[in-house]
Amino acid sequence: KAGVTQTPRYLIKTRGQQVTLSCSPISGHRSVSWYQQTPGQGLQFLFEYFSETQRNKGNFPGRFSGRQFSNSRSEMNVSTLELGDSALYLCASSQGQGESYEQYFGPGTRLTVT
Amino acid sequence: AQKVTQAQTEISVVEKEDVTLDCVYETRDTTYYLFWYKQPPSGELVFLIRRNSFDEQNEISGRYSWNFQKSTSSFNFTITASQVVDSAVYFCALSEGQTGANNLFFGTGTRLTVIP
Repeated sequence: KAGVTQTPRYLIKTRGQQVTLSCSPISGHRSVSWYQQTPGQGLQFLFEYFSETQRNKGNFPGRFSGRQFSNSRSEMNVSTLELGDSALYLCASSQGQGESYEQYFGPGTRLTVT
Repeated sequence: AQKVTQAQTEISVVEKEDVTLDCVYETRDTTYYLFWYKQPPSGELVFLIRRNSFDEQNEISGRYSWNFQKSTSSFNFTITASQVVDSAVYFCALSEGQTGANNLFFGTGTRLTVIP
């Protein structure tokens, strides 16, 4: 099976712009979660989508949003970018039903905000 | 509130030495899941193990072993006969509840360097 894929891998944006990141989960996985990784804050949970519905949300401002499509692919959007949004954004997929299954991570999108 | 503590920020060992990475967690839930992930220099998080709160059996997988002790809220990870390829940042993580919630709370990670 193909792993989790994320596009683009690298992105440079200017403060105030918006950005959309994409994630394709492992085939058959219905849950997609997003995480932000920074040197200062570490790995932090953003949100999780399951069957096109947001099931969990972390403590991030409303500028961070996401959605999931019927084929389980997910997008994450950040509006009005700030310098502090520079980070590695990781997407993870899992089966999603019943127990808390292991999540498989993609290679990440490294976002730099200038 | 949930919390995962990895007190060891960095560890260096010489190849073939054994090394244990510590993980202490806090949760009020009786049902929870613990995980270990490896993040090599390439950046991708690699799943190593998942353990639920009702299964305290230790597990061994090749050179890797895990010791889960509810009494001390710890889930430690030991690498036996370490190799240079083990050099990476290792994260312990916690997921609460039994509803299939998939939000992981990560520790701050332990950077392991294996010196040849």
